[in-house]
Amino acid sequence: GDSVTQMEGPVTLSEEAFLTINCTYTATGYPSLFWYVQYPGEGLQLLLKATKADDKGSNKGFEATYRKETTSFHLEKGSVQVSDSAVYFCALYSSASKIIFGSGTRLSIRP
Amino acid sequence: DTAVSQTPKYLVTQMGNDKSIKCEQNLGHDTMYWYKQDSKKFLKIMFSYNNKELIINETVPNRFSPKSPDKAHLNLHINSLELGDSAVYFCASSKTSGGAITGELFFGEGSRLTVL
Repeated sequence: GDSVTQMEGPVTLSEEAFLTINCTYTATGYPSLFWYVQYPGEGLQLLLKATKADDKGSNKGFEATYRKETTSFHLEKGSVQVSDSAVYFCALYSSASKIIFGSGTRLSIRP
Repeated sequence: DTAVSQTPKYLVTQMGNDKSIKCEQNLGHDTMYWYKQDSKKFLKIMFSYNNKELIINETVPNRFSPKSPDKAHLNLHINSLELGDSAVYFCASSKTSGGAITGELFFGEGSRLTVL
């Protein structure tokens, strides 16, 4: 069945460092791909999305490119801030009308 | 004006009790969901309703019963609570485009259930 695999955390970086959180997927057809972010004590919120191959989603300085050849959707940010500390979830929307989440990656940014 | 609201936010109860969590969305979405998040942050879908009709029913004990009185509300009732039911339960709704689900979810703040 469809699945999402993302790098295990926690990931700890210093402020202004470059961030990459890896995400790969397995799916039949052409799923839509998403990154969600969960700040402490809150629900998840959509960070960015891409609906077809080679699309780049971007928001708040974060970017991810839908790579069909490598079945990946890695999240990147050039310079992280303390306020980016959160749990990040990669997700896909499959043809079975299910939205499947990865296991989440906790990110901590040191001042 | 909260888009997806859940009540209660915290729930502490004894094993064997029955409890309910309520969810309401004011976004006009047709599809609503219940997700369970465990202590390791793993998020698992439980149920999904589209216009009051159950469309996703994952492998969940039948002690869990969802109910959707209208498309803006989706409640979750849990009978005979067990220790393993302790988790954060999230309600969500999703946009549709041309009648198809888009995969963009809007989450409530969660209801933390603790079973003692």
